Amino acid sequence: DQQVKQNSPSLSVQEGRISILNCDYTNSMFDYFLWYKKYPAEGPTFLISISSIKDKNEDGRFTVFLNKSAKHLSLHIVPSQPGDSAVYFCAASLQGGSEKLVFGKGTKLTVNP
Amino acid sequence: DAGITQSPRHKVTETGTPVTLRCHQTENHRYMYWYRQDPGHGLRLIHYSYGVKDTDKGEVSDGYSVSRSKTEDFLLTLESATSSQTSVYFCATYRGQYYGYTFGSGTRLTVV
Repeated sequence: DQQVKQNSPSLSVQEGRISILNCDYTNSMFDYFLWYKKYPAEGPTFLISISSIKDKNEDGRFTVFLNKSAKHLSLHIVPSQPGDSAVYFCAASLQGGSEKLVFGKGTKLTVNP
Repeated sequence: DAGITQSPRHKVTETGTPVTLRCHQTENHRYMYWYRQDPGHGLRLIHYSYGVKDTDKGEVSDGYSVSRSKTEDFLLTLESATSSQTSVYFCATYRGQYYGYTFGSGTRLTVV
């Protein structure tokens, strides 16, 4: 049973426009949500996270929105740049100090010049 | 992140041979993990460790074993490699709730 779902395997946007990556989850006990970015031949790197007690967190061009009632989060990148082209993984952690993250399958973002 | 080193970075091995991948961290993190990444499957947890000599299975542990004799080293062993174990393997350590994991650069393993 996939607890964290990224239903779009790929997304293509034009440079300067907004990129919106979506993630759905099924377990209401998740208390922290994270986004990781992965370039080819490299390991994933942390991008941004949000606590379940918040509905928005912003870091420069990156904003994560959390809708707990819908069990949905999204990552907005504004404006998109060609260097943002990568695979983005959504992840979630459980309450109670669990140190294991549950990952989605990833969305490949391509930003076209 | 320079705090995690995976070796080797690339390896080609024959079916049926044993293979050991190494993960070395310099951050003194308690929790360490081995994941594999495959197209269409994302990141799947193989094994993890919550301290020296304390390990547990993940969702795809069959055919793999791990050992952690020191805080800084976490070894992943394929006892008898199969073609289905051709993958990219990532090691990670836990940095806390806000950052989650730090990943190594990965090992690309090909079993022929």
